[in-house]
Amino acid sequence: QVQLQESGPGLVESSQTLSLTCTVSGGSIKSADYYWSWVRQHPGKGLEWVGYIYYSGNTYYNPSLKSRITISINTSRNHFSLKLSSVTVADTAVYHCARVPRFSYDYYFDSWGQGTLATVSS
Amino acid sequence: QSVLTQPPSASGTPGQRVTISCSGSGSNIGSNPVSWYQHLPGTAPKLLIYTNNRRPSGVSDRFSGSKSGASASLAISGLQSEDEADYYCAAWDDSLNGHVLFGGGTKLTVL
Repeated sequence: QVQLQESGPGLVESSQTLSLTCTVSGGSIKSADYYWSWVRQHPGKGLEWVGYIYYSGNTYYNPSLKSRITISINTSRNHFSLKLSSVTVADTAVYHCARVPRFSYDYYFDSWGQGTLATVSS
Repeated sequence: QSVLTQPPSASGTPGQRVTISCSGSGSNIGSNPVSWYQHLPGTAPKLLIYTNNRRPSGVSDRFSGSKSGASASLAISGLQSEDEADYYCAAWDDSLNGHVLFGGGTKLTVL
């Protein structure tokens, strides 16, 4: 069964770049059957989709975050990463990585990591 | 950016049936499938329902989903104490070149 584990610095200074990595185990990130996604949850708030990447490197980002996001993939290390630039305190959140089965007619998250808290200091 | 609308809270006693609603629009629920997730803070969210009403293997048949027009519902029958959690709906939205929308979440309390 696939498992996803987020990692990265818990504290980032305002205006800097937040960098997180999601390591996938129990399955290959090179599978043509899945997208690999990031979802965040602000403290006390609901979930917000950040974006996804395919093993080929194709990406798709939340339009509201698109100008600041880069998602990349490292198939040799079986992990994918998120970089969020010019962060503010509003980017403080728990960041989850998740797997998305690749269908043309549906989009859902079938496996998730437990999340990592990233705090932006002002 | 809008979200799908869920009631912030719901409650029920053990054994009861509880329904959580999720309201959207024609660009999201009205034209795309809905999924539902159970989340306990500090843990990984769990997929409960996909493609409106399908359950992944291992998910109890006490959970069921339905969709009508631009609204969807999650029903939990035979409520148990371990069902106390946050529940989220989600759907693809075709506006702004496409993106995923989540509901604001519903906190379910088992009394």
